[in-house]
Amino acid sequence: DAKTTQPPSMDCAEGRAANLPCNHSTISGNEYVYWYRQIHSQGPQYIIHGLKNNETNEMASLIITEDRKSSTLILPHATLRDTAVYYCIVRAYNNAGNMLTFGGGTRLMVKP
Amino acid sequence: SAVISQKPSRDICQRGTSLTIQCQVDSQVTMMFWYRQQPGQSLTLIATANQGSEATYESGFVIDKFPISRPNLTFSTLTVSNLSPEDSSIYLCSVEDARGKLFFGSGTQLSVL
Repeated sequence: DAKTTQPPSMDCAEGRAANLPCNHSTISGNEYVYWYRQIHSQGPQYIIHGLKNNETNEMASLIITEDRKSSTLILPHATLRDTAVYYCIVRAYNNAGNMLTFGGGTRLMVKP
Repeated sequence: SAVISQKPSRDICQRGTSLTIQCQVDSQVTMMFWYRQQPGQSLTLIATANQGSEATYESGFVIDKFPISRPNLTFSTLTVSNLSPEDSSIYLCSVEDARGKLFFGSGTQLSVL
């Protein structure tokens, strides 16, 4: 799986949008971008994933650049409960179930 | 989404003993994964467990230290053998759905004295 680079930490004010960047310059054409988050002491939670188009769900939006070498996870109105470590992962999915490789992630601190 | 029950949630063990962690899923899944998360670190894949075959271990992890069972499509166990303080970590099981999303159990916090 390709490697990703994320800032180790970010702060965001409560109620504002949190924009978490991720670089994946060696991503292959069949690799998806996945985002997970881990709130302290819990198992990671799936947020969103995409291949080339921007995606949105009830939790977040995912913006992938046209060259697919970077992406941004957007939490539109961050709350204190969004404080967590956010992991950006690229992965080629097939029926063999390639594993996800977790990098260091970004520790997001949402402040009142 | 899959619901995963992982037991125990935490344990304190003496060095030289073993701990077996159970992972139960509410649906049949082909692939189950075991991860370790050392204090302050990211997740590291230990092994992939398929039903009916031996687990596939990642570099740095061996079967003698981390034996895995996968007796059916909804259950797996990970044993951490011959415990030492360096094995103190959170151990997580996860499963994958048909769209490639991983779901995780709540983890087992292991402390070795």
